[in-house]
Amino acid sequence: DQQVKQNSPSLSVQEGRISILNCDYTNSMFDYFLWYKKYPAEGPTFLISISSIKDKNEDGRFTVFLNKSAKHLSLHIVPSQPGDSAVYFCAVVTGTASKLTFGTGTRLQVTL
Amino acid sequence: SQTIHQWPATLVQPVGSPLSLECTVEGTSNPNLYWYRQAAGRGLQLLFYSVGIGQISSEVPQNLSASRPQDRQFILSSKKLLLSDSGFYLCAWSPGGYQYFGPGTRLLVL
Repeated sequence: DQQVKQNSPSLSVQEGRISILNCDYTNSMFDYFLWYKKYPAEGPTFLISISSIKDKNEDGRFTVFLNKSAKHLSLHIVPSQPGDSAVYFCAVVTGTASKLTFGTGTRLQVTL
Repeated sequence: SQTIHQWPATLVQPVGSPLSLECTVEGTSNPNLYWYRQAAGRGLQLLFYSVGIGQISSEVPQNLSASRPQDRQFILSSKKLLLSDSGFYLCAWSPGGYQYFGPGTRLLVL
């Protein structure tokens, strides 16, 4: 059973517009959430995180929102740029040793 | 600064052959280390993690094994590869909290 779900496998957005990537989780005890960005044939790079004591965290063009009651988080990218085209994974810290459980990813394509 | 290395970058191996992928971390001590696999069109699946030398935890039953002979070295192995072992293998390290990933190894088993 998937603990972290990204239900949209792909998303296409025009340059300059807002990209919204969504992620749902099953366990209300999860308390630390992360977003990673991955280009083909490369390792994922950390983008932004949020702990359960907050409902929003912002870093430049990237903002993560956490809705604990809905067990939902989202990543907003505004304005979207062509270089943002990549696969985005949400992840939650699960268990000990800082283990991460990842969603299946959403492929974002930013078009000109 | 900390860096993480993986090699080889790409590997093509026949079914039934052995495997050894190496991961090393520089610039830190006693990191948590992880091996992930990304199969085609799938997410990242945690295979093994280690919190110290000689300490290996397996997340999923499989044809692979891991070892940590030194503090900053993590090795992924198999005695006999299966077709289903093909994928993109990623090593990661963590000081606690989020993880930093290596460049990955693309493994194709034919």
